[in-house]
Amino acid sequence: EPEVTQTPSHQVTQMGQEVILRCVPISNHLYFYWYRQILGQKVEFLVSFYNNEISEKSEIFDDQFSVERPDGSNFTLKIRSTKLEDSAMYFCASSAGTAGYYNEQFFGPGTRLTVL
Amino acid sequence: AQSVTQLDSHVSVSEGTPVLLRCNYSSSYSPSLFWYVQHPNKGLQLLLKYTSAATLVKGINGFEAEFKKSETSFHLTKPSAHMSDAAEYFCVVIAFSGGYNKLIFGAGTRLAVHP
Repeated sequence: EPEVTQTPSHQVTQMGQEVILRCVPISNHLYFYWYRQILGQKVEFLVSFYNNEISEKSEIFDDQFSVERPDGSNFTLKIRSTKLEDSAMYFCASSAGTAGYYNEQFFGPGTRLTVL
Repeated sequence: AQSVTQLDSHVSVSEGTPVLLRCNYSSSYSPSLFWYVQHPNKGLQLLLKYTSAATLVKGINGFEAEFKKSETSFHLTKPSAHMSDAAEYFCVVIAFSGGYNKLIFGAGTRLAVHP
């Protein structure tokens, strides 16, 4: 069964460093998402991406964050200068569409980011 | 705005007894609602979804949920809990915006199952 994969599973970085979280969505999906879950808190929407453009972003997704689909398979989230409060589990998701049957979002296993 | 409220942060049941995880929603239009499960150190797995078809939705692993518009509820149930059901459960609503959508998560309910 097709699945969303994410690498690495755990990333430890120093404050101020850049990190890139990688995701491989399901191959025939067109819509891509990043969510994050700070320990003990809700899962929060960060950004959605379609047709090589950001379609929506949350207030959390400031200038320190960027997303890219560098090739036909990968979808990345970059944090330019990490802060302690960026420590969280980051989930990538993808969907075939946005309506009806096709709006189901399939999630990857997550990347746990720890900023020291 | 779309939102969901999970009424219990923790639920504890004995193996073999029924499970009830409660969720109320708020929506300005006919909602699409989901339940996701997260086992320890695992990703988010879809249990079931409601998209305005049958109000009683059956999911994987014996779970089901009933959409009740009059009560704005979408509670998750299972007749008989199994040890493997111990996990975090999230009630989720879709928010639509300009042809795109995003998921709005509840705070989660941690289900413990005791022998």
